[in-house]
Amino acid sequence: QQQVKQSPQSLIVQKGGISIINCAYENTAFDYFPWYQQFPGKGPALLIAIRPDVSEKKEGRFTISFNKSAKQFSLHIMDSQPGDSATYFCAALSQTTDSWGKLQFGAGTQVVVTP
Amino acid sequence: DADVTQTPRNRITKTGKRIMLECSQTKGHDRMYWYRQDPGLGLRLIYYSFDVKDINKGEISDGYSVSRQAQAKFSLSLESAIPNQTALYFCATRDRNNEQFFGPGTRLTVL
Repeated sequence: QQQVKQSPQSLIVQKGGISIINCAYENTAFDYFPWYQQFPGKGPALLIAIRPDVSEKKEGRFTISFNKSAKQFSLHIMDSQPGDSATYFCAALSQTTDSWGKLQFGAGTQVVVTP
Repeated sequence: DADVTQTPRNRITKTGKRIMLECSQTKGHDRMYWYRQDPGLGLRLIYYSFDVKDINKGEISDGYSVSRQAQAKFSLSLESAIPNQTALYFCATRDRNNEQFFGPGTRLTVL
């Protein structure tokens, strides 16, 4: 079964709105939480990542919020633009116990930003 | 710039055929991975490799095999393709900061 549960499966947001994608995990050994962005016909690419020693990380219009006690983290896309339309994957890794760097991916969220 | 390349990009084959998907990288990374992507299931790890002598099974390796011909080349084979192997396949490399770099993918259809 998937070690990282992602929701929603899809969402539609108007241009200028906020897109929010949530992920939850059970393995407390996870200590690295990246988000990947995938455009149609392309491979996923790293968007932003966070480690559990901080509760929030912001890069431009993209923010990760991290709640260690709840074992949840989320991606917020502020002022969503049509160019943000893509599939977003959350992922998790235990750097301390997995030297192979095997990421556990969520199921993905397809985001559509309407003009 | 295509740091991770995959060939072919699309392939249609028939049940029982042997198929090889190829991956090459110019990033100089040791660690390479093969994933398959299915709608609603995300990316699942098939095989991973640290170097040419180190190959490891991922969570869904049954029905697949791999070959690491060189640091830069990692191939995935389906010895006898079946319809439920129809999927999007990605090769990836990893750097020392745990960032993974994905190729453009191969869309495989098994009839």
